[in-house]
Amino acid sequence: NAGVTQTPKFQVLKTGQSMTLQCAQDMNHEYMSWYRQDPGMGLRLIHYSVGAGITDQGEVPNGYNVSRSTTEDFPLRLLSAAPSQTSVYFCASTPPGTKNIQYFGAGTRLSVL
Amino acid sequence: GDSVTQMEGPVTLSEEAFLTINCTYTATGYPSLFWYVQYPGEGLQLLLKATKADDKGSNKGFEATYRKETTSFHLEKGSVQVSDSAVYFCALGTSGGGADGLTFGKGTHLIIQP
Repeated sequence: NAGVTQTPKFQVLKTGQSMTLQCAQDMNHEYMSWYRQDPGMGLRLIHYSVGAGITDQGEVPNGYNVSRSTTEDFPLRLLSAAPSQTSVYFCASTPPGTKNIQYFGAGTRLSVL
Repeated sequence: GDSVTQMEGPVTLSEEAFLTINCTYTATGYPSLFWYVQYPGEGLQLLLKATKADDKGSNKGFEATYRKETTSFHLEKGSVQVSDSAVYFCALGTSGGGADGLTFGKGTHLIIQP
Protein backbone atom coordinates (compact mmCIF):
# COMPACT_ATOMS: atom_id res chain seq x y z
CA ASN A 1 0.00 0.00 0.00
CA ALA A 2 1.24 3.47 -0.84
CA GLY A 3 -0.94 5.07 1.86
CA VAL A 4 -2.09 8.63 1.21
CA THR A 5 -0.43 10.23 -1.81
CA GLN A 6 -0.52 13.95 -2.49
CA THR A 7 0.60 15.72 -5.64
CA PRO A 8 2.26 18.06 -6.33
CA LYS A 9 4.66 18.51 -3.41
CA PHE A 10 5.30 22.17 -4.26
CA GLN A 11 3.38 24.71 -6.34
CA VAL A 12 3.65 28.42 -7.03
CA LEU A 13 0.61 30.23 -8.40
CA LYS A 14 -0.21 33.78 -9.39
CA THR A 15 -3.24 35.48 -7.87
CA GLY A 16 -6.37 34.49 -9.77
CA GLN A 17 -5.02 31.23 -11.19
CA SER A 18 -6.79 27.97 -10.57
CA MET A 19 -5.41 24.58 -9.71
CA THR A 20 -6.28 21.21 -8.24
CA LEU A 21 -4.41 19.52 -5.42
CA GLN A 22 -4.60 15.78 -5.83
CA CYS A 23 -5.09 13.25 -3.05
CA ALA A 24 -5.36 9.50 -3.46
CA GLN A 25 -5.42 6.61 -1.01
CA ASP A 26 -5.28 2.91 -1.72
CA MET A 27 -6.49 1.68 1.66
CA ASN A 28 -10.22 1.70 0.84
CA HIS A 29 -10.90 4.31 3.53
CA GLU A 30 -14.32 5.91 3.41
CA TYR A 31 -13.53 9.07 5.37
CA MET A 32 -11.15 11.62 3.82
CA SER A 33 -10.37 15.20 4.72
CA TRP A 34 -8.33 18.25 3.76
CA TYR A 35 -6.49 20.49 6.23
CA ARG A 36 -4.37 23.57 5.86
CA GLN A 37 -1.42 24.23 8.14
CA ASP A 38 -0.34 27.79 8.85
CA PRO A 39 2.37 29.02 11.25
CA GLY A 40 0.99 29.49 14.75
CA MET A 41 -2.44 28.18 13.70
CA GLY A 42 -2.08 24.41 13.80
CA LEU A 43 -4.17 22.48 11.29
CA ARG A 44 -7.62 23.61 10.27
CA LEU A 45 -10.21 21.45 8.53
CA ILE A 46 -11.23 22.69 5.06
CA HIS A 47 -13.57 20.00 3.71
CA TYR A 48 -14.26 16.36 4.43
CA SER A 49 -16.03 13.41 2.87
CA VAL A 50 -17.62 10.39 4.54
CA GLY A 51 -17.79 8.42 1.30
CA ALA A 52 -18.05 8.61 -2.48
CA GLY A 53 -20.56 11.26 -3.56
CA ILE A 54 -20.71 12.92 -0.12
CA THR A 55 -18.78 16.01 0.92
CA ASP A 56 -19.21 18.65 3.59
CA GLN A 57 -17.57 21.83 4.82
CA GLY A 58 -15.11 22.09 7.66
CA GLU A 59 -13.91 25.10 9.58
CA VAL A 60 -12.39 27.11 6.69
CA PRO A 61 -14.09 26.11 3.40
CA ASN A 62 -14.24 29.48 1.61
CA GLY A 63 -12.27 29.58 -1.64
CA TYR A 64 -12.06 25.79 -1.95
CA ASN A 65 -14.16 23.18 -3.71
CA VAL A 66 -14.05 19.40 -3.39
CA SER A 67 -15.65 16.39 -5.02
CA ARG A 68 -15.56 12.66 -4.28
CA SER A 69 -16.43 10.61 -7.33
CA THR A 70 -14.51 7.54 -6.15
CA THR A 71 -13.46 6.12 -2.80
CA GLU A 72 -9.79 6.52 -3.72
CA ASP A 73 -9.61 10.17 -4.80
CA PHE A 74 -10.45 13.43 -3.06
CA PRO A 75 -9.16 16.44 -5.03
CA LEU A 76 -9.14 19.98 -3.64
CA ARG A 77 -9.76 22.80 -6.11
CA LEU A 78 -8.78 26.43 -5.84
CA LEU A 79 -10.87 28.28 -8.44
CA SER A 80 -9.19 31.69 -8.09
CA ALA A 81 -6.11 31.59 -5.89
CA ALA A 82 -5.46 34.38 -3.38
CA PRO A 83 -2.31 35.16 -1.35
CA SER A 84 -4.25 34.20 1.81
CA GLN A 85 -4.29 30.63 0.49
CA THR A 86 -0.51 30.35 0.77
CA SER A 87 -0.16 27.40 3.10
CA VAL A 88 0.77 23.75 3.45
CA TYR A 89 -2.13 21.47 2.60
CA PHE A 90 -2.57 17.99 4.05
CA CYS A 91 -4.94 15.29 2.97
CA ALA A 92 -5.90 12.55 5.42
CA SER A 93 -8.00 9.39 5.49
CA THR A 94 -9.49 7.30 8.29
CA PRO A 95 -9.88 3.51 8.38
CA PRO A 96 -13.43 2.30 8.99
CA GLY A 97 -14.22 1.65 12.61
CA THR A 98 -11.27 3.68 13.92
CA LYS A 99 -12.83 6.97 14.84
CA ASN A 100 -10.66 10.07 14.46
CA ILE A 101 -7.44 8.13 13.70
CA GLN A 102 -6.20 9.74 10.53
CA TYR A 103 -3.41 8.85 8.09
CA PHE A 104 -1.83 11.92 6.56
CA GLY A 105 -0.16 12.51 3.23
CA ALA A 106 3.20 14.28 3.03
CA GLY A 107 1.59 17.61 2.14
CA THR A 108 1.56 20.16 -0.68
CA ARG A 109 3.34 23.46 -0.10
CA LEU A 110 1.49 26.17 -2.03
CA SER A 111 2.61 29.75 -2.56
CA VAL A 112 0.29 32.31 -4.13
CA LEU A 113 2.02 35.46 -5.35
CA GLY B 1 -16.90 25.26 20.25
CA ASP B 2 -14.21 22.67 20.77
CA SER B 3 -10.67 23.90 21.26
CA VAL B 4 -7.21 22.69 22.24
CA THR B 5 -4.54 24.74 23.96
CA GLN B 6 -0.96 23.57 24.13
CA MET B 7 2.23 25.20 25.29
CA GLU B 8 3.96 27.37 22.76
CA GLY B 9 7.42 26.46 21.58
CA PRO B 10 10.06 26.01 20.67
CA VAL B 11 11.01 23.79 23.58
CA THR B 12 14.73 23.06 23.69
CA LEU B 13 16.08 20.22 25.83
CA SER B 14 19.28 18.25 26.16
CA GLU B 15 19.37 14.57 25.29
CA GLU B 16 18.14 12.32 28.13
CA ALA B 17 16.16 15.14 29.76
CA PHE B 18 12.58 14.66 30.99
CA LEU B 19 9.90 16.04 28.68
CA THR B 20 6.47 17.45 29.44
CA ILE B 21 4.31 19.20 26.84
CA ASN B 22 1.11 20.58 28.34
CA CYS B 23 -2.25 20.25 26.62
CA THR B 24 -5.69 21.30 27.83
CA TYR B 25 -8.98 21.13 25.98
CA THR B 26 -12.50 22.50 25.89
CA ALA B 27 -15.19 20.25 24.46
CA THR B 28 -18.78 19.20 24.83
CA GLY B 29 -19.34 15.58 25.68
CA TYR B 30 -16.50 13.11 26.00
CA PRO B 31 -14.06 13.44 23.13
CA SER B 32 -11.19 11.15 22.31
CA LEU B 33 -7.76 12.73 22.74
CA PHE B 34 -4.68 12.32 20.58
CA TRP B 35 -1.07 13.30 20.20
CA TYR B 36 0.24 13.52 16.64
CA VAL B 37 3.88 14.08 15.67
CA GLN B 38 5.24 15.78 12.55
CA TYR B 39 8.87 15.14 11.59
CA PRO B 40 10.56 17.66 9.27
CA GLY B 41 9.17 17.55 5.73
CA GLU B 42 6.57 14.92 6.53
CA GLY B 43 2.87 14.67 7.29
CA LEU B 44 1.47 14.05 10.74
CA GLN B 45 1.60 10.61 12.33
CA LEU B 46 -0.47 9.33 15.22
CA LEU B 47 1.73 9.01 18.31
CA LEU B 48 -0.80 7.91 20.94
CA LYS B 49 -4.44 8.18 21.91
CA ALA B 50 -6.89 7.84 24.78
CA THR B 51 -10.62 7.39 24.36
CA LYS B 52 -12.01 7.84 27.87
CA ALA B 53 -11.23 9.39 31.23
CA ASP B 54 -8.21 7.95 33.09
CA ASP B 55 -7.02 6.07 29.97
CA LYS B 56 -3.27 6.25 29.43
CA GLY B 57 -1.96 6.23 25.88
CA SER B 58 1.64 5.20 25.28
CA ASN B 59 4.01 4.67 22.38
CA LYS B 60 7.79 4.91 21.74
CA GLY B 61 8.40 5.87 25.37
CA PHE B 62 5.86 8.70 25.29
CA GLU B 63 2.75 8.62 27.43
CA ALA B 64 -0.26 10.80 28.22
CA THR B 65 -3.20 10.35 30.59
CA TYR B 66 -6.74 11.57 29.87
CA ARG B 67 -7.64 13.73 32.88
CA LYS B 68 -11.29 14.71 32.74
CA GLU B 69 -11.23 16.63 36.02
CA THR B 70 -8.52 18.98 34.75
CA THR B 71 -9.44 18.65 31.02
CA SER B 72 -5.81 17.85 30.27
CA PHE B 73 -3.77 15.40 28.22
CA HIS B 74 -0.13 16.24 28.90
CA LEU B 75 2.58 14.44 26.91
CA GLU B 76 5.57 13.04 28.83
CA LYS B 77 8.74 11.13 28.11
CA GLY B 78 11.34 10.16 30.66
CA SER B 79 14.47 10.47 28.51
CA VAL B 80 14.34 12.24 25.14
CA GLN B 81 16.60 11.54 22.18
CA VAL B 82 17.78 13.74 19.32
CA SER B 83 15.47 11.73 17.04
CA ASP B 84 12.46 13.01 19.03
CA SER B 85 12.97 16.48 17.56
CA ALA B 86 9.71 17.28 15.79
CA VAL B 87 6.48 19.25 16.10
CA TYR B 88 3.91 17.71 18.45
CA PHE B 89 0.20 18.37 18.10
CA CYS B 90 -2.46 17.68 20.70
CA ALA B 91 -5.88 17.04 19.19
CA LEU B 92 -9.40 16.08 20.14
CA GLY B 93 -11.77 14.05 18.06
CA THR B 94 -15.10 15.48 17.05
CA SER B 95 -18.06 13.61 15.74
CA GLY B 96 -20.87 16.12 15.43
CA GLY B 97 -22.99 16.24 12.29
CA GLY B 98 -21.24 13.35 10.58
CA ALA B 99 -17.80 14.94 10.80
CA ASP B 100 -15.01 12.72 11.97
CA GLY B 101 -12.41 15.43 12.01
CA LEU B 102 -9.85 16.49 14.53
CA THR B 103 -9.48 19.81 16.31
CA PHE B 104 -5.76 20.53 16.66
CA GLY B 105 -3.72 22.66 18.98
CA LYS B 106 -1.21 25.01 17.40
CA GLY B 107 1.70 22.59 17.81
CA THR B 108 4.83 22.57 19.95
CA HIS B 109 8.21 22.51 18.24
CA LEU B 110 10.58 20.30 20.24
CA ILE B 111 14.33 20.57 19.73
CA ILE B 112 16.64 18.04 21.38
CA GLN B 113 20.32 18.92 21.53
CA PRO B 114 23.04 16.26 21.81
